[in-house]
Amino acid sequence: SYVLTQPPSVSVAPGQTARITCGGNNIGSKSVHWYQQKPGQAPVLVVYDDSDRPSGIPERFSGSNSGNTATLTISRVEAGDEADYYCQVWDSSSDGVFGGGTKLTVL
Amino acid sequence: EVQLVESGGGLVQPGGSLRLSCAASGFTFSSYWMSWVRQAPGKGLEWVANIKQDGSEKYYVDSVKGRFTISRDNAKNSLYLQMNSLRAEDTAVYYCARARITMVRGVIIACIFDYWGQGTLVTVSS
Repeated sequence: SYVLTQPPSVSVAPGQTARITCGGNNIGSKSVHWYQQKPGQAPVLVVYDDSDRPSGIPERFSGSNSGNTATLTISRVEAGDEADYYCQVWDSSSDGVFGGGTKLTVL
Repeated sequence: EVQLVESGGGLVQPGGSLRLSCAASGFTFSSYWMSWVRQAPGKGLEWVANIKQDGSEKYYVDSVKGRFTISRDNAKNSLYLQMNSLRAEDTAVYYCARARITMVRGVIIACIFDYWGQGTLVTVSS
């Protein structure tokens, strides 16, 4: 089965840049999507197809994907960005696959 | 505005059954694949099932195959999940999600969950 590996937690000061990684075997060959989930709320799509943003998502959110690692980058982090972030791909053998999630803490 | 509203969750004993529903509005329901995604308490997201626009193709995570059935009624703009032989490990919030699917030569190569409902809690316990 295909596995996506995320760090359990990332901490960053307001105004700095947060980078959340998502590791997977040759993940660069797949389309990676990222979701933000705040406590008690449903997930929200923030980046799709590696680096595209849905309408309404700030330009501060960006993504990249190459080799065995995809990365979600949040620039000029704000207190309101504190949330859990999940990467996701579709795999031919495992179908829908989510990473374990990363808790972003804004210090 | 896209809206997805789940219902039907609750407390059920192990081995029991439950049927979840998802009412969709704000988009042409019959034009989209739809999905169920679940989240156990304090845990991460887990994809459960997908269904094609006309219901002709369905995909399930291995752990629910043979026990859960995804279906839809395009005339009612509704998505369903029939859950049988429920286990304690099925306890979770179940989200309905709209899916954007990319297929190449009849094979899914990408699936984006672009809108989500607020979820309904299913608790399997005696």
